[in-house]
Amino acid sequence: AQSVTQPDIHITVSEGASLELRCNYSYGATPYLFWYVQSPGQGLQLLLKYFSGDTLVQGIKGFEAEFKRSQSSFNLRKPSVHWSDAAEYFCAVGAPGANNLFFGTGTRLTVIP
Amino acid sequence: EPEVTQTPSHQVTQMGQEVILRCVPISNHLYFYWYRQILGQKVEFLVSFYNNEISEKSEIFDDQFSVERPDGSNFTLKIRSTKLEDSAMYFCASSPFGTPQETQYFGPGTRLLVL
Repeated sequence: AQSVTQPDIHITVSEGASLELRCNYSYGATPYLFWYVQSPGQGLQLLLKYFSGDTLVQGIKGFEAEFKRSQSSFNLRKPSVHWSDAAEYFCAVGAPGANNLFFGTGTRLTVIP
Repeated sequence: EPEVTQTPSHQVTQMGQEVILRCVPISNHLYFYWYRQILGQKVEFLVSFYNNEISEKSEIFDDQFSVERPDGSNFTLKIRSTKLEDSAMYFCASSPFGTPQETQYFGPGTRLLVL
């Protein structure tokens, strides 16, 4: 069965600093991988997704993620964080033949001036 | 940009009462979903719905839960007899098709508190 682990519950970074949010998944084959962001009072918004091909995926708002099969990871990165990036970030995995997603517990990002 | 909407944003109910959570998916989408997140836990899949039928459901989605598309726009989740452990944030989502590659668009959620 699929599962997702986000080891960091809460991360604080300074505005302008780089960011990396960790995500590890468990699945027997190559999964479909997603990062969603949730700002207060908003729904989950898709940042990026990976299905196949280039393992470095570009998303919206300057985010990128890299799929590393050997590490079963799909970490989210941003070179320079903006105050508006403060939100909850969710990693999710889907599988061929199924249309439901398995989510991690989320990482709350705080950005300090 | 089209978005999924959910009402109410917050609901408080007494244990044993029935609640109906409402969602308006994006208008040209065909697949609809409910997820929930108990405080501090993972977002969990409950059910997916297509062509007026449940297409997939999780173990959580037992007989106390039901879903319905009562008209051309609304998609509802009913909990017949709420339990304390049903307290959670409930997210509705929709997608154009049901393939795993399709982006699921999520609503802002309904926070349900069962007392």
